[in-house]
Amino acid sequence: AQTVTQSQPEMSVQEAETVTLSCTYDTSENNYYLFWYKQPPSRQMILVIRQEAYKQQNATENRFSVNFQKAAKSFSLKISDSQLGDTAMYFCAFMGVGAGSYQLTFGKGTKLSVIP
Amino acid sequence: DAGVIQSPRHEVTEMGQEVTLRCKPISGHNSLFWYRQTMMRGLELLIYFNNNVPIDDSGMPEDRFSAKMPNASFSTLKIQPSEPRDSAVYFCASEPLLGTDQFFGPGTRLTVL
Repeated sequence: AQTVTQSQPEMSVQEAETVTLSCTYDTSENNYYLFWYKQPPSRQMILVIRQEAYKQQNATENRFSVNFQKAAKSFSLKISDSQLGDTAMYFCAFMGVGAGSYQLTFGKGTKLSVIP
Repeated sequence: DAGVIQSPRHEVTEMGQEVTLRCKPISGHNSLFWYRQTMMRGLELLIYFNNNVPIDDSGMPEDRFSAKMPNASFSTLKIQPSEPRDSAVYFCASEPLLGTDQFFGPGTRLTVL
């Protein structure tokens, strides 16, 4: 079974600064997907970014980028130029590939506060 | 597209009552998931449907929980009878064929008194 660990329950960052959220995972699979979801106070789960394990290049979506270290089983999220609207819970998630792989396994989340 | 639609957004009920949560997936998506979120256990998958057929219901807590998907545009999650420990946020998510991204609805916050 896969596990996802987010070791930082809470973090804060000054507006316009950069922050990195950590995530590690454990799996015996060679190919899989990793995700970061954002859950603002509205409660909506929003997909921020996706990384495919077979791709060496780190995924980037505007101010959001990841540092994917497959050997270390590490998948961190970097938020540049933090904005007040980035205040939210952030969840790291794992999904296997292939027949029968459909379940997202989530970490416990990191609560990020952006300070004006 | 309006995204995944869930109703109601909030539900407060008394122990022993029947609760029905509703979900309309994104049009054209063929996979549907029900998740439960609590402080203690985080996000857990309850049941997964593919092409309206339940594929994996191993996450359903007990017989008090049941889920149906009578057609591609509607699913329900029913709890009967409800208990205080069922209080949680329940999410519905859908995924397109050959896709990897699950799109979540706004969730239903259930409080059982």
